[in-house]
Amino acid sequence: KAGVTQTPRYLIKTRGQQVTLSCSPISGHRSVSWYQQTPGQGLQFLFEYFSETQRNKGNFPGRFSGRQFSNSRSEMNVSTLELGDSALYLCASSFGGMATYEQYFGPGTRLTVT
Amino acid sequence: AQKITQTQPGMFVQEKEAVTLDCTYDTSDQSYGLFWYKQPSSGEMIFLIYQGSYDEQNATEGRYSLNFQKARKSANLVISASQLGDSAMYFCAMREGTGGSYIPTFGRGTSLIVHP
Repeated sequence: KAGVTQTPRYLIKTRGQQVTLSCSPISGHRSVSWYQQTPGQGLQFLFEYFSETQRNKGNFPGRFSGRQFSNSRSEMNVSTLELGDSALYLCASSFGGMATYEQYFGPGTRLTVT
Repeated sequence: AQKITQTQPGMFVQEKEAVTLDCTYDTSDQSYGLFWYKQPSSGEMIFLIYQGSYDEQNATEGRYSLNFQKARKSANLVISASQLGDSAMYFCAMREGTGGSYIPTFGRGTSLIVHP
């Protein structure tokens, strides 16, 4: 079974631009969660999508948004990028969502904002 | 206040020896879950082990075991017979919430280096 894939793996953007990251979950998984990892704040939960609906949301500004398609693939969008958005963005998939205990993570997208 | 505290920024262990990585948590929920993840230098988070708050027995997965002390709010990870490939960052995490609404919180991590 193929694992979680994230594209692109690396991205460089300029402050003020917007960016879209993509995550393809493991086949059959209905839940996709997104996380931001930075040296300063550590690993923080952004949001979770389950069957195309946002089900859980962390404490991030509205510039961070996401969506999930009918095939469970998910995209995360960050508008008006700030330098502090430079981070490793990880997505994770699971069959049952956050209620289940096992999540499978992708390799991440390394975003650098200059 | 920190919900997950990992007090050891770095740990060193000799190959084949056991090592304990500390984790304490803070929650007022009765129902919660505790997780450990491993993150090698490649960046991918790997799920290791899970303990539910109502589980009376400590969770074990191969060489990994979770020493769950509910009254002390502690969930330490024990790795037996360390291997060189165990060198990585280790994160303790907690999932709080009920009824479909869950928010996970992660600790700052412990860097484990296994010496030959």
